[in-house]
Amino acid sequence: QLQLQESGPGLVKPSETLSLTCTVSGGSISSSGYYWGWIRQPPGKGLEWIGSIYSSGNTYYNPSFKSRVTITVDTSKNQFSLKLSSVTAADTTVYYCARHPDSGSLDYWGRGTLVTVSS
Amino acid sequence: QSALTQPASVSGSPGQSITISCTGTSSDVGGYNYVSWYQQHPGKAPKLMIYDVSNRPSGVSNRFSGSKSGNTASLTISGLQAEDEADYYCSSYTSSNTLVVFGGGTKLTVL
Repeated sequence: QLQLQESGPGLVKPSETLSLTCTVSGGSISSSGYYWGWIRQPPGKGLEWIGSIYSSGNTYYNPSFKSRVTITVDTSKNQFSLKLSSVTAADTTVYYCARHPDSGSLDYWGRGTLVTVSS
Repeated sequence: QSALTQPASVSGSPGQSITISCTGTSSDVGGYNYVSWYQQHPGKAPKLMIYDVSNRPSGVSNRFSGSKSGNTASLTISGLQAEDEADYYCSSYTSSNTLVVFGGGTKLTVL
């Protein structure tokens, strides 16, 4: 059974860079035909896609974040990572990692991790 | 403002059927058969219920069904059960710069 687990600091200071890692177990991040994505959800609000990466390194970003976001993959560790720079209080949300084919259906999700931006 | 439009809330009694709509454009819902639906209980991660408009992943009850007409997709839940009370989100592949777009979510209340 494929499992995804987010990890990283739960508290980030304003203007700094948020860094999260998603570790994939029970399967290979190099599996053909799948992307690995980051989605966020402010408390009590809806889902927002941040971006996705293919195992080859090709990335797709939500234009709303494009200037601040970087997603990378480390196939040797079966992990992919999110960096979001110049964070503000508006970036205080639950961050999820997930897998999807190119059709975009997110079939496996991590449990999510709450990141709070505060000094 | 979300890219896809869903009603904020719907409700139904146990045993009844309800339908949640998801309206987009020809660049997303109307242009591709790549609409998905997710169920989210409080404090939990979303769970994929329907993919590619009308397909159910293994293990999802056949009480859940999906369809699409033009730029609007729909999720129907038949034989409502108390455990179906949750938030439901639609998503679609999009030809815009964004790969995936979500609806704003619909809160289902089982009366």
